[in-house]
Amino acid sequence: AQTVTQSQPEMSVQEAETVTLSCTYDTSESDYYLFWYKQPPSRQMILVIRQEAYKQQNATENRFSVNFQKAAKSFSLKISDSQLGDAAMYFCAYRSSDRDDKIIFGKGTRLHILP
Amino acid sequence: KAGVTQTPRYLIKTRGQQVTLSCSPISGHRSVSWYQQTPGQGLQFLFEYFSETQRNKGNFPGRFSGRQFSNSRSEMNVSTLELGDSALYLCASTLTTGGWSYEQYFGPGTRLTVT
Repeated sequence: AQTVTQSQPEMSVQEAETVTLSCTYDTSESDYYLFWYKQPPSRQMILVIRQEAYKQQNATENRFSVNFQKAAKSFSLKISDSQLGDAAMYFCAYRSSDRDDKIIFGKGTRLHILP
Repeated sequence: KAGVTQTPRYLIKTRGQQVTLSCSPISGHRSVSWYQQTPGQGLQFLFEYFSETQRNKGNFPGRFSGRQFSNSRSEMNVSTLELGDSALYLCASTLTTGGWSYEQYFGPGTRLTVT
C-alpha cells in the first residue's frame, strides 16, 4: 500500500527567507500524481502545487516550487521569500493513476513564519 | 464558479445522537470525498463517492455512512455519536474527465462537537 511521510511536524522560518518542507512516499507504481495542499489556521484547505510523475520538470507556482526526485521517491516543497500569509499546515498527498484509488495524505507540517 | 459548500458549518450534538452533514461540490464535479480531521490523527479518509456509488472507503466503523445524489451532492451520517467523533469534517470534490480524477477542492468543513 502506498504511504506518504512528512518527517517534520513543525518548522519555522524568518519572513522573506526560503524554507523547504520534506515529503517522501512509497509506491510500486510508475504513474501517479503528487500534490501539496495548504491549510491556513481556521481557513479552507487549498491546492498549492501539483506534479505529474511522468514529467521530469519540477512544477512551479510563483514563490512555490517542488523538488521531485522520482527515484528517491521524494517530493519537497520550497517556499521562497516567505510571507506571513504562508503560515499554515501543509499536507503532501499522493494519488495513483488507478482511477479507483483514493488520495493519500501525509500527516502535515505546521509552518510558522517569524516576523 | 462557486466553490465546495458544506452545511452546517458548526454543530453541537450529544452522545448517542445522530448527525447528517451535507456537501455540495463544485458544479461539474462528480466525485466527492469525505475526511475527518483531528489534532491527534490528522486527516483521515472516510469515503469517496462517484456517480452515486461509493468508490472507496476508509477504516471507520459502520456508524459512519454516506450517500451521493444524482446532482452529485453528498451527505454523510454518523449514528450513535461518541465523544471521539468531535472533529472537523471536510468534504472535497474532484473534476473527473472520462473517469480520471485530478486534484481535490475542499470545502470549509463542518466543525462537529459531541458533548
